[in-house]
Amino acid sequence: QKEVEQNSGPLSVPEGAIASLNCTYSDRGSQSFFWYRQYSGKSPELIMFIYSNGDKEDGRFTAQLNKASQYVSLLIRDSQPSDSATYLCAYGGTNAGKSTFGDGTTLTVKP
Amino acid sequence: DTGVSQDPRHKITKRGQNVTFRCDPISEHNRLYWYRQTLGQGPEFLTYFQNEAQLEKSRLLSDRFSAERPKGSFSTLEIQRTEQGDSAMYLCASSGLGTSGSYEQYFGPGTRLTVT
Repeated sequence: QKEVEQNSGPLSVPEGAIASLNCTYSDRGSQSFFWYRQYSGKSPELIMFIYSNGDKEDGRFTAQLNKASQYVSLLIRDSQPSDSATYLCAYGGTNAGKSTFGDGTTLTVKP
Repeated sequence: DTGVSQDPRHKITKRGQNVTFRCDPISEHNRLYWYRQTLGQGPEFLTYFQNEAQLEKSRLLSDRFSAERPKGSFSTLEIQRTEQGDSAMYLCASSGLGTSGSYEQYFGPGTRLTVT
């Protein structure tokens, strides 16, 4: 079992819809959780981080964390074609040294 | 506010040669990380520094790989006797203690290594 599991996709949504990306992790000691966006051929870009159970909203993005279920998700509202990318889920441990990444979910937003 | 920079952006080398990559972190960040990423995979942790101290190194990291951060600023990653399996994107990230009390990592553009 991988430490971070993500559905590889591709996930396809129409423009203006809500895209829902999910991630489960195995390390119960994980303290911090991150979502990165990665365009093809580019490096990952941090778009959200969350440390407490519940929801965190930033613009069109909402991250949701449930530590009991070891589950973190990312919702993208009003999806745009420019949101088409691979979304990487990652977690860090106590005092957050290294981050452990999933292999990403590819999102395509169709005009 | 300049981001993380990496040099070179691309490197093509022949098998058996040594290569060295440089990373300059965001200036106020005291932590620096190296990751490797291959197509279709997420970044894989290699090593990280807090200031000049190397705090963790992946057990998967071959002895051919070495990293330094001598003055707690820029870092170098050297790969000796390169192999075709070393072909990948080498990513550097840096972090400081964020306002939330944790360490959010910001990546540089990466160095793409091709070993022929």
